[in-house]
Amino acid sequence: AQSVSQHNHHVILSEAASLELGCNYSYGGTVNLFWYVQYPGQHLQLLLKYFSGDPLVKGIKGFEAEFIKSKFSFNLRKPSVQWSDTAEYFCAVNAETGGFKTIFGAGTRLFVKA
Amino acid sequence: DAGVIQSPRHEVTEMGQEVTLRCKPISGHNSLFWYRQTMMRGLELLIYFNNNVPIDDSGMPEDRFSAKMPNASFSTLKIQPSEPRDSAVYFCAIDRGNTGELFFGEGSRLTVL
Repeated sequence: AQSVSQHNHHVILSEAASLELGCNYSYGGTVNLFWYVQYPGQHLQLLLKYFSGDPLVKGIKGFEAEFIKSKFSFNLRKPSVQWSDTAEYFCAVNAETGGFKTIFGAGTRLFVKA
Repeated sequence: DAGVIQSPRHEVTEMGQEVTLRCKPISGHNSLFWYRQTMMRGLELLIYFNNNVPIDDSGMPEDRFSAKMPNASFSTLKIQPSEPRDSAVYFCAIDRGNTGELFFGEGSRLTVL
């Protein structure tokens, strides 16, 4: 079945640690890829997106993601996390083979210790 | 810029009651989506509309759920009768350019007792 998989459900890091959150999808063909962040009690907000071009995408707040087509992956990274990055992070895919619906992964809850 | 206004923000109701959640896009869009978020199931797509027409309602859990979009500026999600397992946060989101990039509302937190 077509899906979006996030590898980690919970991640705990100390401030200044590096972050990498994995995301894999199973859709073929053209895909648009997204990472969203949801701070506690708030709605989802876009962190970054990939439509085409440079597979290394830079987003807000120092986040970046790399699209590796051969691996069907779109991992999120940040070199040095801050306490304020504590949130839930969602990978999402919009694909032609998925009927152009934006489908979300299960989310990864990140807790950053001060 | 949420792009979408949802109401009510919070609703507490009793099992069996009808619940109507509202969504008002405040900017242009092509598609409108209703998602449900729970701890157990994460973010589930319930239904989406394109140019006010329902395109895919395969995520609507049961016949108790229905959604309408009478015009480009308004959509409703109705649950009748409601059950405790419907307790969740319901998000409305819009896609402004058919790219899949979504702009979410603040959500409606529903508690069914």
